[in-house]
Amino acid sequence: AQSVTQPDIHITVSEGASLELRCNYSYGATPYLFWYVQSPGQGLQLLLKYFSGDTLVQGIKGFEAEFKRSQSSFNLRKPSVHWSDAAEYFCAVKYGNEKLTFGTGTRLTIIP
Amino acid sequence: KAGVTQTPRYLIKTRGQQVTLSCSPISGHRSVSWYQQTPGQGLQFLFEYFSETQRNKGNFPGRFSGRQFSNSRSEMNVSTLELGDSALYLCASSKGQGGLTDTQYFGPGTRLTVL
Repeated sequence: AQSVTQPDIHITVSEGASLELRCNYSYGATPYLFWYVQSPGQGLQLLLKYFSGDTLVQGIKGFEAEFKRSQSSFNLRKPSVHWSDAAEYFCAVKYGNEKLTFGTGTRLTIIP
Repeated sequence: KAGVTQTPRYLIKTRGQQVTLSCSPISGHRSVSWYQQTPGQGLQFLFEYFSETQRNKGNFPGRFSGRQFSNSRSEMNVSTLELGDSALYLCASSKGQGGLTDTQYFGPGTRLTVL
């Protein structure tokens, strides 16, 4: 069965610092990969997605992610975080018409 | 283009009651999926409807059911509510054709509290 792992439950970074959130997926085939962000009490907003092609994908709000097949990873990055980036981030994986499977999420705290 | 809308946004019920939640997808989207989000279990898939037919189903008891109408709007029903059903229920819509470009877009959720 497909699964996705987000090893970091909670990450704290200083405003202006760089950010990397980790995501690893399991299964044999190349999946469709997504990153979503959720602000407190809100729904999920799509940040970016990867299906094929260029392994470095750009998303909204200055985020990017890199697909590395050899490491089964799809890590999310941002060069300089803003206080408004504080939220929970979810990596998700999908194969074909199967359901979307989410990781457990990483809560991001920004300190001034 | 309007996003996914869910009503109501907040709901308080007591144990044993039943509840119906509503989701209106993005115009042109034919697939609606429902998720339950709790602090302990995270995001769990309930079911997906496409063209008024259930296409995928998660591991939830039969108390959880859904349906989809011809205009793609969807409702989710939970009967005989239990305290553990307290959660944020999220609806997501997509075009539904599957495969490469079928991205899900989420609504703001319905916060259900069972007392």
